[in-house]
Amino acid sequence: QITLKESGPTLVKPTQTLTLTCSFSGLSLSTSGEGVAWIRQPPGKALEWLALIYWNDDKRYSPSLRSRVTITKDTSKNQVVLTMTNMDPVDTATYYCAHIAEAYYHYGLDVWGQGTTVTVSS
Amino acid sequence: SYELTQPPSVSVSPGQTATISCSGDKLGDKYVCWYQQKPGQSPVLVIYQDYKRPSGIPERFSGSNSGNTATLTISGTQGMDEADYYCQAWDSSTEDVVFGGGTKLSVL
Repeated sequence: QITLKESGPTLVKPTQTLTLTCSFSGLSLSTSGEGVAWIRQPPGKALEWLALIYWNDDKRYSPSLRSRVTITKDTSKNQVVLTMTNMDPVDTATYYCAHIAEAYYHYGLDVWGQGTTVTVSS
Repeated sequence: SYELTQPPSVSVSPGQTATISCSGDKLGDKYVCWYQQKPGQSPVLVIYQDYKRPSGIPERFSGSNSGNTATLTISGTQGMDEADYYCQAWDSSTEDVVFGGGTKLSVL
């Protein structure tokens, strides 16, 4: 059974860098075919994909956020880390990490974390 | 970048069939997933690869995809199906993930 859990600060100031950690169990990012994605959702708005990383360290980023976002994995700790620079109030959202079922075969995001709420305010 | 368009809202009477559309350029050439999100909860995958249902998803959920439009169909809609629904696909040239804007399903 795969589970994921997001962690990080609940409040960040404008211009600061946000670092979020996705800790997971039931999967290993050293196993072929595995992947993890980050998605966010501003209050009352739609889901927005941010980034993903596969077991082979292939990384993809949202075109609109590519210059601000970095995704990395720590296989030994079963964690994926997302950093987002130059935070702005419009980045206030619930941030989710999710498991990608079968990398490159487009099976979807089959398991989601509970999400963590981040508020950007001075 | 690739875009997916959904109607903001759909209404259906209990027991009737609800259809939610998702449109994008040559969407039929890509695999589409659908997610259900209830208030205060994380999204749940209900359809993947256009029409396949993950384990535990009721048979009343079905999907199709052809041309420029993918469709999520909920047969015999129940009150518990009231939620936001999001379509999602991959930009085949970049492998980027793309979400639609979401559709609020009301069961009236």
